[in-house]
Amino acid sequence: DIQMTQSPSSLSASVGDRVTITCRASQGISNYLAWYQQKSGKVPELLIYGSSTLQSGVPSRFSGRGSGTEFTLTISGLQPEDVATYYCQEYRTVPYTFGQGTKVEIE
Amino acid sequence: QVQLVESGGGVVQPGRSLRLSCAASGFRFSTSGMHWVRQAPGKGLEWVAGISYDGSDKHYADSVKGRFTISRDISKNTLYLQMNSLSAEDTAVYFCAKDRGVLLTFFDYWGLGALVTVSS
Repeated sequence: DIQMTQSPSSLSASVGDRVTITCRASQGISNYLAWYQQKSGKVPELLIYGSSTLQSGVPSRFSGRGSGTEFTLTISGLQPEDVATYYCQEYRTVPYTFGQGTKVEIE
Repeated sequence: QVQLVESGGGVVQPGRSLRLSCAASGFRFSTSGMHWVRQAPGKGLEWVAGISYDGSDKHYADSVKGRFTISRDISKNTLYLQMNSLSAEDTAVYFCAKDRGVLLTFFDYWGLGALVTVSS
């Protein structure tokens, strides 16, 4: 099975900061990577798929890039409503796996 | 709009069975792959099982293979998860999730989830 490793596991930043989360795959997955946002007590929401394609309705301050084994999610200008846990997910091969999550907080 | 409504959760004793249902509406159920994803209390997301649009292709996480069965009834627009031989490790909120495509890829809509608690 493919293992997905996210870093950091948590971070705290100020409003307006640029925040980057990294996701590494244990083997190459091309661009078969999605990112989800889960706010506390809420259902996960799709942010990005295909490594860099923004889901409809997602603010443009979110961006993704990467291919193969290393991927990043960047929030350009952190907003209070971005406080959440973010998960990457590979869909190159079943069984699909998620990263362990990165909790983003405001300083 | 897309709606996914899970039901069938509850408290069950170890070793017993439970069946979850997910009623789908607002999209063409017959042409969408579907999944179950779970989240144990305070933990991350774990993909459990997925089924292709026509039910011909099914896949499972290693942790549930041989115990859980995913199925769908297109006439009822409903997804199911039959869970047998439950253990405490299966305690989680179970989300029904719609696939973006006809086969199995990623999840563009999620239900609110059904809580399954395995406890004696």
